[in-house]
Amino acid sequence: EEQLVESGGDLVQPGRSLRLSCTASGFTFGDFAMSWVRQAPGKGLEWVGFIKSKAYGGTTDYAASVKGRFTISRDDSKSIAYLQMSSLKSEDTGLYYCTREPTVWGQGTMVTVSS
Amino acid sequence: DIVMTQSPLSLSVTPGQPASISCKSSQSLLHSDGKTYLYWYLQKPGQSPRLLIYEVSRRLSGVPDRFSGGGSGTDFTLRISRVEAEDLGVYFCMQGINVPRTFGPGTRVDLK
Repeated sequence: EEQLVESGGDLVQPGRSLRLSCTASGFTFGDFAMSWVRQAPGKGLEWVGFIKSKAYGGTTDYAASVKGRFTISRDDSKSIAYLQMSSLKSEDTGLYYCTREPTVWGQGTMVTVSS
Repeated sequence: DIVMTQSPLSLSVTPGQPASISCKSSQSLLHSDGKTYLYWYLQKPGQSPRLLIYEVSRRLSGVPDRFSGGGSGTDFTLRISRVEAEDLGVYFCMQGINVPRTFGPGTRVDLK
């Protein structure tokens, strides 16, 4: 079964950093681009960014709202994608999903940015 | 960025009756490869979004055939032929032709 499991969500103060992990199983992780999507409480879905597979250069792209603050990386040997978040703001609060677009989604990990 | 809009934003349905949701994009989602990158998701309360339809009208394996998608270019529709209680939740459309990927605001479907 193809599965994604996110971890690392926490309560953090504004301005601090946090790293989320997404562990994949059931498919050849290195063959796929991986994305992060977030959902503020009671709100819709917002694409955060993605990282292409190494075969496509492993390049990244980000939403304007997080560009320069968030970094996506991957470790294909461990089948893990990471979302490094820095200079966190209250508006970054939400449930963060890892996805293998468009089909496979994790259950999400909650990030709360508050003092 | 491509703006995705949906209507209605809320829909109360009677079980067994049909339902329809519209999704419009600010730019054509038709790629030069001939595919149209429009997806439909259902998010049930407390769950992750689940893909129902990809490339406008292709049902994912395991999705009941009461769900169908149609449209082209910038105008798309998700239809449920006979709504069942398990179909309740929020439906999102998403475009996959450009980055940033963008989602519609969602259509909340509940029982009348």
